Amino acid sequence: DAGVIQSPRHEVTEMGQEVTLRCKPISGHDYLFWYRQTMMRGLELLIYFNNNVPIDDSGMPEDRFSAKMPNASFSTLKIQPSEPRDSAVYFCASSPTPEVQYNEQFFGPGTRLTVL
Amino acid sequence: GQSLEQPSEVTAVEGAIVQINCTYQTSGFYGLSWYQQHDGGAPTFLSYNALDGLEETGRFSSFLSRSDSYGYLLLQELQMKDSASYFCAVRDGTSGTYKYIFGTGTRLKVLA
Repeated sequence: DAGVIQSPRHEVTEMGQEVTLRCKPISGHDYLFWYRQTMMRGLELLIYFNNNVPIDDSGMPEDRFSAKMPNASFSTLKIQPSEPRDSAVYFCASSPTPEVQYNEQFFGPGTRLTVL
Repeated sequence: GQSLEQPSEVTAVEGAIVQINCTYQTSGFYGLSWYQQHDGGAPTFLSYNALDGLEETGRFSSFLSRSDSYGYLLLQELQMKDSASYFCAVRDGTSGTYKYIFGTGTRLKVLA
């Protein structure tokens, strides 16, 4: 398996523009997570899905952020409009059903977003 | 509220042993994970403890004490390639969801 795939790897955009980040989880994984990492705030969970259904979006910073998972093999995180403070590395991760004995999350390579 | 605390930085020499501590506060604790992240890379899973005690995986071991809300990652026979950031993460079941909360990370520097 190729692992979790994210695109683009780097995105530079101007304030006010719409940004769409994409993620393909590992086949067969039931859970998909979106994280944001910055020096100031560390690694923050934004939202996670179980079987394509959003379960907890309490980490989504504001209405400018939205995430969808139309099917088991694809998810998007959209920022509209983007602001300079959204600059960060965005990671997508997937995992099988997190039973007690097995809780590994597999992270994608991340998308480094810079909003000018 | 939910919080995790770990030291910001640890320095050790090659071949040594280092312990990275993590204390957590959460009302719906399900387990403690450890991840490694090299600069510019993605976090990679190292270990998971759901029950008290020590889990060993090669040079790395992880310990959990649920009564003390405390865990640690032990790295033995340190190698230069172990220089990275290490994150503890709590699987939290508060409010009926199972989300993961990450600590701020401990930057480990291994010196020759």
